[in-house]
Amino acid sequence: RKEVEQDPGPFNVPEGATVAFNCTYSNSASQSFFWYRQDCRKEPKLLMSVYSSGNEDGRFTAQLNRASQYISLLIRDSKLSDSATYLCVVSEDGSSNTGKLIFGQGTTLQVKP
Amino acid sequence: EADIYQTPRYLVIGTGKKITLECSQTMGHDKMYWYQQDPGMELHLIHYSYGVNSTEKGDLSSESTVSRIRTEHFPLTLESARPSHTSQYLCASSEVGTSRGGGYTFGSGTRLTVV
Repeated sequence: RKEVEQDPGPFNVPEGATVAFNCTYSNSASQSFFWYRQDCRKEPKLLMSVYSSGNEDGRFTAQLNRASQYISLLIRDSKLSDSATYLCVVSEDGSSNTGKLIFGQGTTLQVKP
Repeated sequence: EADIYQTPRYLVIGTGKKITLECSQTMGHDKMYWYQQDPGMELHLIHYSYGVNSTEKGDLSSESTVSRIRTEHFPLTLESARPSHTSQYLCASSEVGTSRGGGYTFGSGTRLTVV
């Protein structure tokens, strides 16, 4: 079983749609959670951190459920420019000093006109 | 403006050659990482370092080696390149104790092709 599991997709949605991605992780001691975005043939870039209380950044909303070890990302009003692969990322263990992150395989989003 | 630099961006090289992929960061981060990623596939950690003179192998076995003589510099070396080494190599860095921080900062990557 992978440490971070995501549905690879692809998710094909029309412009303006709302789309949600989910991710599960296996290490219950993990403390830090992120969503990264990776464009084709580019490096991953931080999209947003994920906090226990849930957090929002414009059209993007991230949620964390520690009991279920589940993370979600909601994108509202999808734009063509949102087309990318979204990586769910979890810290390796409970210590905030290791810094090692585990990357999911990513979920691919294609927004169509 | 990038704070972590990788060179070269693209490299095509013959089998058996020795190559070094460069990675430098100007953020003073203690932790640095090398990932390997094939097209459309997930990232695999191949090496990491927690500071000067510290290097560890990652989760994916790799024939490459790394060194960390200076905080800002974390080069990766392949002594004898083979076609199976063809991939994208991504370097990243982070601060010690990254928790609610920004996670990793990645370089633009080196796309290596061994012919």
